[in-house]
Amino acid sequence: QKEVEQDPGPLSVPEGAIVSLNCTYSNSAFQYFMWYRQYSRKGPELLMYTYSSGNKEDGRFTAQVDKSSKYISLFIRDSQPSDSATYLCAMVFGNQFYFGTGTSLTVIP
Amino acid sequence: GAGVSQSPSNKVTEKGKDVELRCDPISGHTALYWYRQSLGQGLEFLIYFQGNSAPDKSGLPSDRFSAERTGGSVSTLTIQRTQQEDSAVYLCASSLLAGSYEQYFGPGTRLTVT
Repeated sequence: QKEVEQDPGPLSVPEGAIVSLNCTYSNSAFQYFMWYRQYSRKGPELLMYTYSSGNKEDGRFTAQVDKSSKYISLFIRDSQPSDSATYLCAMVFGNQFYFGTGTSLTVIP
Repeated sequence: GAGVSQSPSNKVTEKGKDVELRCDPISGHTALYWYRQSLGQGLEFLIYFQGNSAPDKSGLPSDRFSAERTGGSVSTLTIQRTQQEDSAVYLCASSLLAGSYEQYFGPGTRLTVT
């Protein structure tokens, strides 16, 4: 079993839709939970991070962590074509990062 | 300010040859990570450096892979006797401190072994 599991998609939604991206994990010792966005042929860029259960909002993005279920989510409201990218979840334990495989999202105008 | 830079952006090499990939981290960042990204595999941790401490090499897939970081700044990842399964995008990231959630990634080097 991988440390972090993420549905690879692809996911295709119409512009304006609410998008839900999810990851599950197995290590209860993970300390930080992050979401990265990666455009084609670019390096990942940090979107959001959190370290506790609950919700964290930043504009159209909401990160949700449920430590009891070992489940994290990223919600994108009013999705835009510019949101089309691969989204990777990541978790930190000690000095190491553990990444999901990424979910490919396409927002259709 | 400048972000993380990597060179070359693309590298095509023949099986059996050695390759060197370079990473220039953000100035002042003490932690530097190397990852490998293959299609459908996500980011695979290879090695990280923190200041002058001994690097964590636990992710290196074989002894053909090595990395060094000179002067606490630039890092070079070397792959000896390349194999076709080494074809991937090699990403470098830096952060102020190891374990900091704020990692900044370079654009990657796309390696193709023919």
